[in-house]
Amino acid sequence: AQSVTQPDIHITVSEGASLELRCNYSYGATPYLFWYVQSPGQGLQLLLKYFSGDTLVQGIKGFEAEFKRSQSSFNLRKPSVHWSDAAEYFCAVSGPGGYNKLIFGAGTRLAVHP
Amino acid sequence: DTAVSQTPKYLVTQMGNDKSIKCEQNLGHDTMYWYKQDSKKFLKIMFSYNNKELIINETVPNRFSPKSPDKAHLNLHINSLELGDSAVYFCASSPRTGTNNEQFFGPGTRLTVL
Repeated sequence: AQSVTQPDIHITVSEGASLELRCNYSYGATPYLFWYVQSPGQGLQLLLKYFSGDTLVQGIKGFEAEFKRSQSSFNLRKPSVHWSDAAEYFCAVSGPGGYNKLIFGAGTRLAVHP
Repeated sequence: DTAVSQTPKYLVTQMGNDKSIKCEQNLGHDTMYWYKQDSKKFLKIMFSYNNKELIINETVPNRFSPKSPDKAHLNLHINSLELGDSAVYFCASSPRTGTNNEQFFGPGTRLTVL
């Protein structure tokens, strides 16, 4: 069955510290992978996506993610976190064609301490 | 310019009532979606339409009826509202199926059933 696991429900980091949010997926075919961010009371904004090619992808707001097929992972990273990064982060997977529903992980809530 | 818009943003109603949520996208996309986010922030696909044709219907009670009058609009009508329907409903759109499936989300409609 297709699924996405985000092992960390809550993460707290200090402003300026580095960040890594974990995402593991289960998908029968080659997946398309996404990270979305949801600020309180807001909709979802796409941070970055992976379809093929270079396994290290760059996104908006200084985020990057690395696709590791052998580990079925797509972890999100940022070298230096800003207080405005506090939000809920969702990893998602979809198929490369046909009925392209997004399957989401449960989300990771990021808190940033000053 | 708002890419994906939803109305209303908030909806408070009594059990047993019928209500509708409207969604419009001005991105020229062919595919539109409804997702439900529950109180634990978990996001799950409900429906998807491609060019006004239903292509995904994920075991949603038949009290929920999507309607797509044209490919820029996807409305969600809910009959006989129940307490468990309280959630945030997100509309999304993407280019035609079979492409990269980057989905653009609306701001959400928070439905509260009393």
